[in-house]
Amino acid sequence: GQQLNQSPQSMFIQEGEDVSMNCTSSSIFNTWLWYKQDPGEGPVLLIALYKAGELTSNGRLTAQFGITRKDSFLNISASIPSDVGIYFCAGQEAGANSKLTFGKGITLSVRP
Amino acid sequence: DAGITQSPRHKVTETGTPVTLRCHQTENHRYMYWYRQDPGHGLRLIHYSYGVKDTDKGEVSDGYSVSRSKTEDFLLTLESATSSQTSVYFCAISERRTGGKETQYFGPGTRLLVL
Repeated sequence: GQQLNQSPQSMFIQEGEDVSMNCTSSSIFNTWLWYKQDPGEGPVLLIALYKAGELTSNGRLTAQFGITRKDSFLNISASIPSDVGIYFCAGQEAGANSKLTFGKGITLSVRP
Repeated sequence: DAGITQSPRHKVTETGTPVTLRCHQTENHRYMYWYRQDPGHGLRLIHYSYGVKDTDKGEVSDGYSVSRSKTEDFLLTLESATSSQTSVYFCAISERRTGGKETQYFGPGTRLLVL
């Protein structure tokens, strides 16, 4: 089935640094979503993107819908300890009945 | 936060017993989903619903059944639990925008251990 690629599996950064992560697909998507999951909790929606080239911010987070429609990027600026967690991307192909496909997530660690 | 609750939040059961997990929403969203999350696999779709009494299978539906008799409730049943069904189960809800584009919101999850 469809797969989304997120790599690396883990990232380690220093508090205050910026971090960028991306998600790639072999198919064209018309929706990209970014989620964050804390231990023992459900994924929480961070940013939703619906148009190629769209750039959307949510506080220190900025995400972009790639022009090719096969990728998306998430940037976190000036990281803080509470940014620790797993970041998932999800994409949806065009079509009324298409389902979301999820990446396996990137675990972000922030050193104080 | 989206109004989604899941019950129970934790459950331990024995192999061969039936188990029912409940998802309840207060958003009146049409679509509801059940996923399982396992290390190395990410989120995998079990079943979903696109309306009351309208359900369909996802990619890992074997051993699971669902029911939706009201908009707000979506039940997942493990007919005869097996150890391979030990997992964290998430419910999600969504409404579809024009062109089928959707945004899903997740519940807090149910941790199930099958001994």
